[in-house]
Amino acid sequence: DGGITQSPKYLFRKEGQNVTLSCEQNLNHDAMYWYRQDPGQGLRLIYYSQIVNDFQKGDIAEGYSVSREKKESFPLTVTSAQKNPTAFYLCASSTRRLGATFGSGTRLTVV
Amino acid sequence: GQQLNQSPQSMFIQEGEDVSMNCTSSSIFNTWLWYKQDPGEGPVLLIALYKAGELTSNGRLTAQFGITRKDSFLNISASIPSDVGIYFCAGYPNFGNEKLTFGTGTRLTIIP
Repeated sequence: DGGITQSPKYLFRKEGQNVTLSCEQNLNHDAMYWYRQDPGQGLRLIYYSQIVNDFQKGDIAEGYSVSREKKESFPLTVTSAQKNPTAFYLCASSTRRLGATFGSGTRLTVV
Repeated sequence: GQQLNQSPQSMFIQEGEDVSMNCTSSSIFNTWLWYKQDPGEGPVLLIALYKAGELTSNGRLTAQFGITRKDSFLNISASIPSDVGIYFCAGYPNFGNEKLTFGTGTRLTIIP
């Protein structure tokens, strides 16, 4: 079955550490996205990629980095420069005709 | 960044009531989408709209793409308990730009 997989589901990070969140899709979508969601809030765009080897900053890119070396994969690194990283992170892939399909999310907690 | 403002922020209704919510933007979008999110899950697509003035239904849900291209509306008729959740609008700007922006969300609660 086609879909988008995020891992891990829960992640704990010590302050000052970098962590990488995985996102893989087998939908053959060109575009992929990372969003951050805080409790009771909407989805804020961190980074997006329209094609392999290319990506653009979203509205809250500071403290995050991404890569798009393969069409299927769009990992997100939360760096130590992100001062408030505790949040729910959602990855998506899309075609304009069908809209975005989301993964089930990764909940990151700083301990 | 670009803002999509949804209203109302929250709604408390009784089962069987109809629901209306809307989404407005300061700039034009060429595709509008409506999503529903359950707690702890990713949003799921409900309806997609591609043309100004378009009216599209999906069961008890009906959505419209505003004529100005700066707004969209979602209606839910005869609400049921499983309609509880957060509803988001989202939009793509001009063609060729795949930046997908989400609205602030409308939280729907059904009062027993």
